[in-house]
Amino acid sequence: QSVLTQPPSVSAAPGQKVTISCSGSSSNIGNYFVSWYQQLPGTAPKLLIYDNNKRPSGIPDRFSGSKSGTSATLGITGLQTGDEAHYYCATWDTSLSAGVVFGGGTKLTVL
Amino acid sequence: EVQLVESGGGLVQPGRSLRLSCAASGFMFDDYAIHWVRQAPGKGLEWVSGINWNGGDVAYGDSVKGRFTTSRDNAKNSVYLQMNSLRPDDTAIYYCAKVKSSGWLEGWDAFDFWGQGTMVTVSS
Repeated sequence: QSVLTQPPSVSAAPGQKVTISCSGSSSNIGNYFVSWYQQLPGTAPKLLIYDNNKRPSGIPDRFSGSKSGTSATLGITGLQTGDEAHYYCATWDTSLSAGVVFGGGTKLTVL
Repeated sequence: EVQLVESGGGLVQPGRSLRLSCAASGFMFDDYAIHWVRQAPGKGLEWVSGINWNGGDVAYGDSVKGRFTTSRDNAKNSVYLQMNSLRPDDTAIYYCAKVKSSGWLEGWDAFDFWGQGTMVTVSS
């Protein structure tokens, strides 16, 4: 059971938009930055979004992030087949012992 | 170019030990915290441990606390994960990851670079 809750899967057609939610609490998302990672099959995770809504250089603006209270959302527009991957949210958590917590991951299928 | 290269993985029997290494290059190593994250086969990401810029502050996930020890040698641009009393549920790919903007654990903001991972299999 992950500290951060994500839907196990989402799907949409090429060219469409999808959102992935990440729900936490005041000990994590409510007080710390959220980041999002894309993991293509057989590869290491890649940073997509940091500080809730900022994109590293090289990440297209089709990817966006937002945060409200104790929840965060990743948005992907203009879906491409190459976007099929697992997506993870992460943040710092201070309940019990402090550390990084991840969501359980969401598998995006581009139909 | 930032690079993180893990090594030291392999097959080990339950109860035995293994030491992983993470060799870094392409950035000011002693300015940044480094963390270990693992991924069991077919499962999601799990944070294992983090170490601050000078090794003076280390944190561990509950599942490895008391069994794993993280250290770093800034002269060698390397971080190490000493894993003792290994269990079958420690079987995973182990990644080291660089913190984007901070040398401190509580200054964590994101992992901007990850290594390719090293596989650890705990089995008799």
